[in-house]
Amino acid sequence: TQLLEQSPQFLSIQEGENLTVYCNSSSVFSSLQWYRQEPGEGPVLLVTVVTGGEVKKLKRLTFQFGDARKDSSLHITAAQPGDTGLYLCAGETGFQKLVFGTGTRLLVSP
Amino acid sequence: KAGVTQTPRYLIKTRGQQVTLSCSPISGHRSVSWYQQTPGQGLQFLFEYFSETQRNKGNFPGRFSGRQFSNSRSEMNVSTLELGDSALYLCASSPGQGEQFFGPGTRLTVL
Repeated sequence: TQLLEQSPQFLSIQEGENLTVYCNSSSVFSSLQWYRQEPGEGPVLLVTVVTGGEVKKLKRLTFQFGDARKDSSLHITAAQPGDTGLYLCAGETGFQKLVFGTGTRLLVSP
Repeated sequence: KAGVTQTPRYLIKTRGQQVTLSCSPISGHRSVSWYQQTPGQGLQFLFEYFSETQRNKGNFPGRFSGRQFSNSRSEMNVSTLELGDSALYLCASSPGQGEQFFGPGTRLTVL
């Protein structure tokens, strides 16, 4: 069974702080995706990383894929209350089959 | 372009009953995947359909089944409901590969 462990599970920070969320696995994935989910809604895709060592930036969010394509990180600079939500990493293992991480619940207070 | 729609949004059933959930994908998308989300187990893959054929299946008992129609709409069915089936059921659509777009989910409560 392929597992994706995320850490930390919960994060409560003040507006303006930086944070990093980690996603680790013992398995290799062809691609890894990051999603954000808000209450009452489905997950929304933030980014897909494909190449080992790849770094992608989305405004204040920086995503990195590990060289061995087994782990990934999400770094948020100067967090804002609008960043609050559940962050999920997911690896694709087959036809549209995603294995999701355990999730990181982020709360950013004003 | 309209997003993925799921009906109903909320459902309450009792143990032993059966339930059918519906998902309408984004227009032009031929792949529909289903996921179960619970606080304890997180998001888990149920199955995926493409052009009316099941291409992939997760590790769920046979009580969970699905189908896809020629217009790409999909339904999933859970028979003989158990308390542990209470969850948010999400469907996601895609053209067949690449990015999946999730619907808002159906919240199922089993009493």
